Amino acid sequence: DQQVKQNSPSLSVQEGRISILNCDYTNSMFDYFLWYKKYPAEGPTFLISISSIKDKNEDGRFTVFLNKSAKHLSLHIVPSQPGDSAVYFCAAFNTDKLIFGTGTRLQVFP
Amino acid sequence: GAGVSQSPRYKVAKRGQDVALRCDPISGHVSLFWYQQALGQGPEFLTYFQNEAQLDKSGLPSDRFFAERPEGSVSTLKIQRTQQEDSAVYLCASSPGPGSYGYTFGSGTRLTVV
Repeated sequence: DQQVKQNSPSLSVQEGRISILNCDYTNSMFDYFLWYKKYPAEGPTFLISISSIKDKNEDGRFTVFLNKSAKHLSLHIVPSQPGDSAVYFCAAFNTDKLIFGTGTRLQVFP
Repeated sequence: GAGVSQSPRYKVAKRGQDVALRCDPISGHVSLFWYQQALGQGPEFLTYFQNEAQLDKSGLPSDRFFAERPEGSVSTLKIQRTQQEDSAVYLCASSPGPGSYGYTFGSGTRLTVV
């Protein structure tokens, strides 16, 4: 029973273009949604979050959109840069723990 | 310390061997979490501590897995009689307290059981 799903295992985007990473969830009781970024041999690092009462949060090149009726969120990165190449995990927070999706590997090529 | 420190970074164990993985959280962080990340998967929750109390161990896969945090700071995840399916990266995270979703993760321990 996977409560947080990332259906695209990989995404390849040209530098300067927009990257859109998607995430679906099943539990309407989640309080917060987060995106983490992970480089090889490192732990996940927090990127951006959104409260369940909001529908958009923006931080520089990163924007997260939340569609509660569809139980869907997305991360937009614009413009994409080669340094953005990493695995991105969507996570949902409920009570006292984070539940992660399976990740999407983003590759930004020149 | 400034971040979450985990040791060892890499561990190779023979099947049946016991292992102990250490996590040193950010000083003052009340909450501590252990996650298991198998190859190509997202981190899966194992267990959660608030200070020295283990409040949730619902994610531990079997009774071979045991975690402790006796003084509310450093935590140890112990795996007894390791099996090949235990091979994974074990991640530790800490946060300031209950209800805080601002986790800081360590770099993890990669366990390989041969």
